[in-house]
Parts: sequence; C-alpha cells; structure tokens
Amino acid sequence: DAKTTQPNSMESNEEEPVHLPCNHSTISGTDYIHWYRQLPSQGPEYVIHGLTSNVNNRMASLAIAEDRKSSTLILHRATLRDAAVYYCILRVATGNQFYFGTGTSLTVIP
Amino acid sequence: DAGVTQSPTHLIKTRGQQVTLRCSPKSGHDTVSWYQQALGQGPQFIFQYYEEEERQRGNFPDRFSGHQFPNYSSELNVNALLLGDSALYLCASSPWFGATGAYGYTFGSGTRLTVV
Repeated sequence: DAKTTQPNSMESNEEEPVHLPCNHSTISGTDYIHWYRQLPSQGPEYVIHGLTSNVNNRMASLAIAEDRKSSTLILHRATLRDAAVYYCILRVATGNQFYFGTGTSLTVIP
Repeated sequence: DAGVTQSPTHLIKTRGQQVTLRCSPKSGHDTVSWYQQALGQGPQFIFQYYEEEERQRGNFPDRFSGHQFPNYSSELNVNALLLGDSALYLCASSPWFGATGAYGYTFGSGTRLTVV
C-alpha cells in the first residue's frame, strides 16, 4: 500500500496562510498525489491533486518537492470553514482505490 | 447536479443481523467504491464496482458483499453484524480510471451504522 505521513494536528489563525505537509517517500513515478478534506459529519471532499508540477485551484495550492517524496497543501487565507481533517493520499496509477491515513486535523483560531 | 446520494443516513442494527446500504453515484460517473470509516480513523477501502463487477477489494471478510446495478447505483451488504462493524460507511463515485491516477472521487455523506 502506498503510504503517507502527516502531522496529527495543526493550528492556524484566521486569514493567515496554512501549510500542511505530507511525506510520501515510497511514491513511484506514476503515483498521483491527492488531497481531500473532511468536515465533521460529512464525506471527504476533493481539494486538489497533482503529479509532478505545482498546482493551483480556487481552493488551494499544491507544492510538490522535486524528488516527489513530499508535498505541501497551501491554504492561502484560512477561514473558520477550513477547519477539517486533511488527508494526503497517493493514488496508485494501476489501482483504483485511495489509501487514506489518519490525516491532519486543522484548527482555525478566530 | 446531484452528487453522491446514500441511504439511509443512520441505522441501528443488532449483532448477527444483516444490513444493506445504498448509493446513487454522481451523474456521469460509472464506478462506485465503498469505504468504512471507524471513529477517529481515515476511511478504509472495502471494494469497487464497475460494469456490475467487483473490480478490486480491500482487506475485508466475505461478510461484506456488494452489487452494482445497470444504472450504476450500488448496494453494500454486511452479514452477521459484529459490534466492530459500527462505523460510517462512505460511497464514492468516479469515472472509470483505467490505468491513470488523474481522477478523483466524489464522496457521499455516508451512512452511520451502529451495531448494538
């Protein structure tokens, strides 16, 4: 199984940027890096994904290390609605399932 | 555009009973995956259905079975319920990925199963 390692929890002040790290040292060349977040009592929600290059969308940015063994999800201005558990997942190209870890619980302080 | 719909939202069953959970995928999606999420844990992959066949399976016993219908909707069945089966059961839909990891899932809000 493709494995990722994330801090259990992080805190951020409202309206400040948040950098959520993820280590995936066993990544192979064709594995995609996906990020999902889960709010209380809801299913996981897609945030962003990438393969090699940094990616931006309306929700966040994904910075991928040159050796691809780590990545960072960047929330540019944290809001209270961003408080959630964030999962970093490797999507194995030859398989169709995601392997979730325990994620990072993000607390946003007003 | 409706996303993934799961029913029921909550369910209480007794040990030894059987349960069926239902999922309607997002419009345009033909692949359905099921996940089990215990309290405080990340979701664990149960199995995936495409073209009415189970395509991949996680490390779950045969008590967990499923079905996909021609309209792409899916059911998850669990027999001989154990207390440890209490969890949030999530359905996720997607286009069939084939050999690429480029696409993501759309998840439903889940069914909360409590076994007493």
